[in-house]
Amino acid sequence: QVQLQQWGAGLLKPSQTLYLTCAVYGGSFSDYYWTWVRQPLGKGLEWIGEINHSGSTTYNPALESRLTMSVDTSTNEITLSLHSVTAADTAVYFCARGTYFRDTRGYNLRVGLDSWGQGTVVTVSS
Amino acid sequence: DIVMTQSPDSLSVSLGERATVTCKSSQSLYHGLGEKNYLVWYQQQPGQPPKPLIYWASTRNSGVPDRFSGSGSGTHFTLTISSLQPEDVAVYFCQQYLSTPFTFGPGTKVDIK
Repeated sequence: QVQLQQWGAGLLKPSQTLYLTCAVYGGSFSDYYWTWVRQPLGKGLEWIGEINHSGSTTYNPALESRLTMSVDTSTNEITLSLHSVTAADTAVYFCARGTYFRDTRGYNLRVGLDSWGQGTVVTVSS
Repeated sequence: DIVMTQSPDSLSVSLGERATVTCKSSQSLYHGLGEKNYLVWYQQQPGQPPKPLIYWASTRNSGVPDRFSGSGSGTHFTLTISSLQPEDVAVYFCQQYLSTPFTFGPGTKVDIK
């Protein structure tokens, strides 16, 4: 049973860098898209981006200029870095595992996010 | 970006009654690759991360009770809870997986009347 455990600084000042880590325990690390999602308190979900085990990334264009994701396959950890934060970045940040089925032609058919971390509350305030 | 909308914003249903949530996308989520609609439904209970319920618009995830069902194709999708139970009180989100960024709907809050 896979578990995602995440941590990072919860209180930042404007212009600082948000840095979160998500460790994956159990299951394969290489067969998934490791994803970050955020949720302002009481609001909806925003897809931040994803990374695979080889470090290939896809970012949300709305955040791409400030965003870096990385992966460490020796520790099965993924990291999120978002610089120049503002109050608008205040949210609960989740890491999650993106899953797919591979069909008979070898294509990856996405099925969504099947396991999630517990969430990290990040507040940006002066 | 594909824009996802949901209706209603909130819904109150009596225990044992049917609850229906609608999700619409700004473009078709059907792709010939796998011949699927790339639409996922999640349930989020207070203080918890989202839990996946349904993928490809109508396929239930393992362990999800069969009172949850998904339907629809193209741009119009529906999540139905056939007989609402107390543990179904939650916010329900749809998400498109056709193209990045993989956008979510704003959510529908379901509670007990």
